[in-house]
Amino acid sequence: AQSVTQPDIHITVSEGASLELRCNYSYGATPYLFWYVQSPGQGLQLLLKYFSGDTLVQGIKGFEAEFKRSQSSFNLRKPSVHWSDAAEYFCAVGAYNYGGSQGNLIFGKGTKLSVKP
Amino acid sequence: EAQVTQNPRYLITVTGKKLTVTCSQNMNHEYMSWYRQDPGLGLRQIYYSMNVEVTDKGDVPEGYKVSRKEKRNFPLILESPSPNQTSLYFCASSLSRTGTKETQYFGPGTRLLVL
Repeated sequence: AQSVTQPDIHITVSEGASLELRCNYSYGATPYLFWYVQSPGQGLQLLLKYFSGDTLVQGIKGFEAEFKRSQSSFNLRKPSVHWSDAAEYFCAVGAYNYGGSQGNLIFGKGTKLSVKP
Repeated sequence: EAQVTQNPRYLITVTGKKLTVTCSQNMNHEYMSWYRQDPGLGLRQIYYSMNVEVTDKGDVPEGYKVSRKEKRNFPLILESPSPNQTSLYFCASSLSRTGTKETQYFGPGTRLLVL
């Protein structure tokens, strides 16, 4: 069964420091991978996505993520964090039922990011 | 403006009183979906729809119903709400019928409290 693991429930970084949020997935085929961000009281916004090709993908707000098939990982990075990046971040894999046409996003449980001044 | 809207945004109700949460999108998307978000559990899919009159269960469908009579609307119905359905609900839509590869656009959420 498909699954997504975000090992860190809560991370605190200082403003200006670099950031890496971890995501590991379990999936039997080439995954479709996404990172979403949820600011307090808001819905989810797509940061970036990976389907195929270059394993380093660029997203909005200065974020990037690297797909590593050998490690089943899709970690999110940002070189310099801003206070406005404080939010909850969700990694997701697009699930696909072979032989069917259903589609689903399997979400990780999220990582809450706090930013210290 | 392209968006997914949900109403109401906040709702307090009592056990057993039927309620409907509406969802509407103005992007002509084929795929629509409902999720619930609970602390420590992330988002879990309740139901999805690949087109008008085509709906199917997600991971946690018990206690919920949906309908898709028009492309733009996908209401979530709780026939007899119970306290374990207290949660934050999100509607989402995407362009293609599968929803797997496409970006999903999320509504602002509906916070439901069932007493």
